Amino acid sequence: DTEVTQTPKHLVMGMTNKKSLKCEQHMGHRAMYWYKQKAKKPPELMFVYSYEKLSINESVPSRFSPECPNSSLLNLHLHALQPEDSALYLCASSQGRGSYEQYFGPGTRLTVT
Amino acid sequence: GENVEQHPSTLSVQEGDSAVIKCTYSDSASNYFPWYKQELGKRPQLIIDIRSNVGEKKDQRIAVTLNKTAKHFSLHITETQPEDSAVYFCAASTTGSGTYKYIFGTGTRLKVLA
Repeated sequence: DTEVTQTPKHLVMGMTNKKSLKCEQHMGHRAMYWYKQKAKKPPELMFVYSYEKLSINESVPSRFSPECPNSSLLNLHLHALQPEDSALYLCASSQGRGSYEQYFGPGTRLTVT
Repeated sequence: GENVEQHPSTLSVQEGDSAVIKCTYSDSASNYFPWYKQELGKRPQLIIDIRSNVGEKKDQRIAVTLNKTAKHFSLHITETQPEDSAVYFCAASTTGSGTYKYIFGTGTRLKVLA
C-alpha cells in the first residue's frame, strides 16, 4: 500500500464547531505532516511528527491541534476556526524527517462558515 | 525568513518543445530539493528530486540541475506532452539537529498546447 488516505474529502463547519481531520498511511513511514494549501498557492507546512512525537509546530494557532495516536494515524482537531482557515488540508508522510520524498494524501477541503 | 522564489509563474509551450522552470533558495543550509507536480484537484506528487551533493539528475524526459554556489535549481522537461500540463512546485528542505524546513516555491502553471 503506497497511499496516504484522508477523511473526510470535504468538510463544512461553523465557527463554533469542533471537528477532526484524519490521515492514515501503511507504508511504515515514521514522519507525518500537516499542510495547509490555499487556492493557487503552495502548500504551507503546519506540523511535523517524527516517531509519533510532535517535532515541528510552525507557529500554528491553537485552534488547530494535531494528534498522532500511532505510527499510522495522524489527526488534526479543529475548534473555533475562522473563515480564513478555509483551505485544502493535506497530510503527507515520509520515510523519516530528513531529506525524503513526501507522499501526499488527497486532502480535505475545509470550508468555515 | 527563508524563502524559495520560483519563475515563471505561468508557462505555455507547444507540444514537443522543452520547458524550464527555475527556483532560487535563500538558506545555504538547504540540502534536499524535490519537484512536485499537482494536477487540478489532485495531490502533489514527486516527479524528481536532487540532493545537495549532486549537480544534475535525469529521469527520462525530466532533469533537474543544482547550482549550490548560486543557490538555484532548475527543472527541465523535454518533448513535452499535453499530460504534462499541471502546476509544478519546487521545494527546498533543510534538516539538521533540531531544525527542519520544507519550503515550497510559489508554483508554475505549465500549459502544453497540442
